[in-house]
Amino acid sequence: GAVVSQHPSRVICKSGTSVKIECRSLDFQATTMFWYRQFPKQSLMLMATSNEGSKATYEQGVEKDKFLINHASLTLSTLTVTSAHPEDSSFYICSASPWNSGNTIYFGEGSWLTVV
Amino acid sequence: GEDVEQSLFLSVREGDSSVINCTYTDSSSTYLYWYKQEPGAGLQLLTYIFSNMDMKQDQRLTVLLNKKDKHLSLRIADTQTGDSAIYFCAERREKGWGKLQFGAGTQVVVTP
Repeated sequence: GAVVSQHPSRVICKSGTSVKIECRSLDFQATTMFWYRQFPKQSLMLMATSNEGSKATYEQGVEKDKFLINHASLTLSTLTVTSAHPEDSSFYICSASPWNSGNTIYFGEGSWLTVV
Repeated sequence: GEDVEQSLFLSVREGDSSVINCTYTDSSSTYLYWYKQEPGAGLQLLTYIFSNMDMKQDQRLTVLLNKKDKHLSLRIADTQTGDSAIYFCAERREKGWGKLQFGAGTQVVVTP
């Protein structure tokens, strides 16, 4: 079946540095992917919509200069957390739908980011 | 408001049926989803239902949708210990292709 994969699954970085998280659709193409953030014991909050070949669309309150999204191919979207701070520590998870089955929305395994 | 609401906790005995309830507010929602999340893991798509349906069954899972009351439920038959997890319902709104609005999640604990 369709699979969405994220890498890395866990990352620790120092304050002030940047970290990149990848989201790949493994056996289907996705012109649109979505990035969510989940704090411990909370629900998922949509951060942005990643559009292949064009700019990402950010939800209200999400800093686009801090969370850079690049969707350079039909199978890969990347989220870069720039100048990371401890409050950016969270679980980041992406989703995607096959172009020919937009009703099925699959999520990646998620990426745990810890900023120290 | 625009919230999706779920009860936060459900305890069920192994072998019994579990029923997880969810209410949503947007009548334009096109599809409604149920996901399962185990500790430290991503979201596993369990099932989804189109808004013009009132029931969908898939093996041990039965989804009931009352569109008039904007109420969604997930029934798990013969609940097993492996069903212990957090279950999220989510709505996909007409104007937000692919975007999902999630509930807070229901933690299901299955006891022997």
